[in-house]
Amino acid sequence: DQQVKQNSPSLSVQEGRISILNCDYTNSMFDYFLWYKKYPAEGPTFLISISSIKDKNEDGRFTVFLNKSAKHLSLHIVPSQPGDSAVYFCAARQNRDDKIIFGKGTRLHILP
Amino acid sequence: GAGVSQTPSNKVTEKGKYVELRCDPISGHTALYWYRQSLGQGPEFLIYFQGTGAADDSGLPNDRFFAVRPEGSVSTLKIQRTERGDSAVYLCASSSTINSPLHFGNGTRLTVT
Repeated sequence: DQQVKQNSPSLSVQEGRISILNCDYTNSMFDYFLWYKKYPAEGPTFLISISSIKDKNEDGRFTVFLNKSAKHLSLHIVPSQPGDSAVYFCAARQNRDDKIIFGKGTRLHILP
Repeated sequence: GAGVSQTPSNKVTEKGKYVELRCDPISGHTALYWYRQSLGQGPEFLIYFQGTGAADDSGLPNDRFFAVRPEGSVSTLKIQRTERGDSAVYLCASSSTINSPLHFGNGTRLTVT
């Protein structure tokens, strides 16, 4: 049973435009959400996180939005750059001492 | 500074053999996690340590899998009687506290033939 769902396996976006990656979750007890980025042959690297008490967190070109009533979060990247081409994983944690659950990932292609 | 180091980077073994995968976390990080990533999937939680003790091993798929962290630093994931279905990338991550984001190593790609 997938508790964290990324329903789009891949996404292509023109360079300079906005990339929007979506994530849904089923466990209403999740209270902390994270996005990770992964290049081939490397481990995932942390991008940005958001606590369930917030609905938005911004860090440079990256913004994460959380809609708790819909159990939905999204990652916005603007403007998209070639180096953003990677696999993006949405992840969630229930309580502060529990494991992090990952989605299956979305492969983002930034087109020149 | 040095990140999380995993050795070997690649391991090919025959079905039925025993393997050990090693993880050197970032110095001073108390929490250490093992994940497994199969093709087309996200990282799947296996076990995490807080210090020397396994705080949650609910993700270990069966009793062929075991992990230790005897001195609260380096950890070893041990797989007995390997099966072809064990083939995956095994990722290790560490964090300075339970509340901090995880820092991942580059993984060990295990292939069971």
